[in-house]
Amino acid sequence: DAKTTQPNSMESNEEEPVHLPCNHSTISGTDYIHWYRQLPSQGPEYVIHGLTSNVNNRMASLAIAEDRKSSTLILHRATLRDAAVYYCIGGGADGLTFGKGTHLIIQP
Amino acid sequence: DSGVTQTPKHLITATGQRVTLRCSPRSGDLSVYWYQQSLDQGLQFLIHYYNGEERAKGNILERFSAQQFPDLHSELNLSSLELGDSALYFCASSTRGNPNTEAFFGQGTRLTVV
Repeated sequence: DAKTTQPNSMESNEEEPVHLPCNHSTISGTDYIHWYRQLPSQGPEYVIHGLTSNVNNRMASLAIAEDRKSSTLILHRATLRDAAVYYCIGGGADGLTFGKGTHLIIQP
Repeated sequence: DSGVTQTPKHLITATGQRVTLRCSPRSGDLSVYWYQQSLDQGLQFLIHYYNGEERAKGNILERFSAQQFPDLHSELNLSSLELGDSALYFCASSTRGNPNTEAFFGQGTRLTVV
């Protein structure tokens, strides 16, 4: 699995967009980029994943750099319920390798 | 609700004992993954089963074992428990045999070894 680097924490205001960056410079050509989040006292929750193209779903968008060495998770309009630890994972040939993630704080 | 059920929710046991954690995957999902989350190690992949067969092993100790039954539920057996085994244990399920698909996590079993 590719090693990923994320900021330890980020802060944003409610109802504003949030851009969560992730570096995965060692990612291989066939490794997917996955994003999960974990709310307090809950199991991880799938957010989005992609390979090369930008991806959108009802929760978020994933922008993948052309060289695939980095990606950005975009929450279009943050709510207080989006406060969580966000994990970027590169690869996953076997199980997913979770790093420390980014602790996202949403200010009302 | 992810559709993945883990029992029990909480478990307190003594060092040296053996416990079994149970996971029922979402209906139709053939893959079950087990993860351990502790304060110092974060979320670690332990083992993956697909349709009853072991597919991959991660950082699983020899004292730990797992299996997936014909009805696709899975059990994680932890034996000779040590204080350091205290953690949250999650299982996740997905439809396919590789993690390049959406995985659904249960609420976890909190194990406390005293």
